[in-house]
Amino acid sequence: SQTIHQWPATLVQPVGSPLSLECTVEGTSNPNLYWYRQAAGRGLQLLFYSVGIGQISSEVPQNLSASRPQDRQFILSSKKLLLSDSGFYLCAWTGRGSDTQYFGPGTRLTVL
Amino acid sequence: AQKITQTQPGMFVQEKEAVTLDCTYDTSDQSYGLFWYKQPSSGEMIFLIYQGSYDEQNATEGRYSLNFQKARKSANLVISASQLGDSAMYFCAMREHVVNTGNQFYFGTGTSLTVIP
Repeated sequence: SQTIHQWPATLVQPVGSPLSLECTVEGTSNPNLYWYRQAAGRGLQLLFYSVGIGQISSEVPQNLSASRPQDRQFILSSKKLLLSDSGFYLCAWTGRGSDTQYFGPGTRLTVL
Repeated sequence: AQKITQTQPGMFVQEKEAVTLDCTYDTSDQSYGLFWYKQPSSGEMIFLIYQGSYDEQNATEGRYSLNFQKARKSANLVISASQLGDSAMYFCAMREHVVNTGNQFYFGTGTSLTVIP
């Protein structure tokens, strides 16, 4: 069966520090991968999605970037965090030809 | 225009009763998918149920059913026999296919459901 992992689960970082969040999927090949951010009490905002290694599409201009160095690995990064980057970050995947997105456990980021 | 609209920020239901969470959507696609997710306080988004736009029967998964009214562009979630563990945020979502970029997913703002013992 397929499993999606995210780490770390919780992160507290100072303003201006770098960020690296990792997402990996097991049990499937060639997944579509997605990064979402959820502000407190809000819905989900799509940040990036990827249909293959090295292929990244960005939905909103921002302080963040994404990379997909391996088929089942998706990384969210920032060189310098802002206070507004605080939130709950969720990684999701869909299988080829499948409609349903499955989400990881999320990373709660607080920027102080 | 909003792609997904959930007009109920908060809902209360008595334990063992049924509850309907509303969702309307906006698309000009003929082929699309509709989803409901549950988000408990732990934060994880749990997939509940899926309805394809060409499916003639309403989707059901255990105590969850999706009341799909295509002409009205609504996809309401019905939870039967509510349990205390159903207390959570519920999100409606839609998948559209966009030329050259593939599938796009849109989420509503969510409904907070509280089950009262």
